[in-house]
Amino acid sequence: DQQVKQNSPSLSVQEGRISILNCDYTNSMFDYFLWYKKYPAEGPTFLISISSIKDKNEDGRFTVFLNKSAKHLSLHIVPSQPGDSAVYFCAASDQGGSEKLVFGKGTKLTVNP
Amino acid sequence: DAGVIQSPRHEVTEMGQEVTLRCKPISGHNSLFWYRQTMMRGLELLIYFNNNVPIDDSGMPEDRFSAKMPNASFSTLKIQPSEPRDSAVYFCASSLIPARAGYTFGSGTRLTVV
Repeated sequence: DQQVKQNSPSLSVQEGRISILNCDYTNSMFDYFLWYKKYPAEGPTFLISISSIKDKNEDGRFTVFLNKSAKHLSLHIVPSQPGDSAVYFCAASDQGGSEKLVFGKGTKLTVNP
Repeated sequence: DAGVIQSPRHEVTEMGQEVTLRCKPISGHNSLFWYRQTMMRGLELLIYFNNNVPIDDSGMPEDRFSAKMPNASFSTLKIQPSEPRDSAVYFCASSLIPARAGYTFGSGTRLTVV
């Protein structure tokens, strides 16, 4: 049973437009959420995170929104750039528990010039 | 810091052979994680260590898989005997717990079992 779900395997957007990547979770014990970015032949790299006490966190062009009641989070990239083309993984953890991260299957973002 | 170092980068082996994957975590990190990435299952946690002690190995698929962390600077993941369905990319990651800044992943080992 997948606790973290990324239902869109792929997303294609035009350079300069907004990219919105979505993630849903089922475990109500999750209280910390992260997004990772992965280029081919490399390991995932940490992008941005959010604690469950917040509903928004912003870092430059990247903003993560958390809707706890809907158990949903999203990553907004504005404006999108071709270098943002990568696979994006959503991850969640129960900080009061085991600290391990549970990942979604990822969404492949392609930003077209 | 050189980051998390994994070796080998690629491994091709025949079914039934023993495979050993290696990982050197970032110095000072107190936790180490082994993940496997497949198209079907995405990134799944196999096992993690805290202060060199295995904390959760519930993700290890079966007895053919074993992992060790003899000291703070080295860990191995062993598959014996290997099977074609073990073909995947295996990632090692390390972190300071609590992992507020997330894990740092290595570049992975692409394993192909033929």
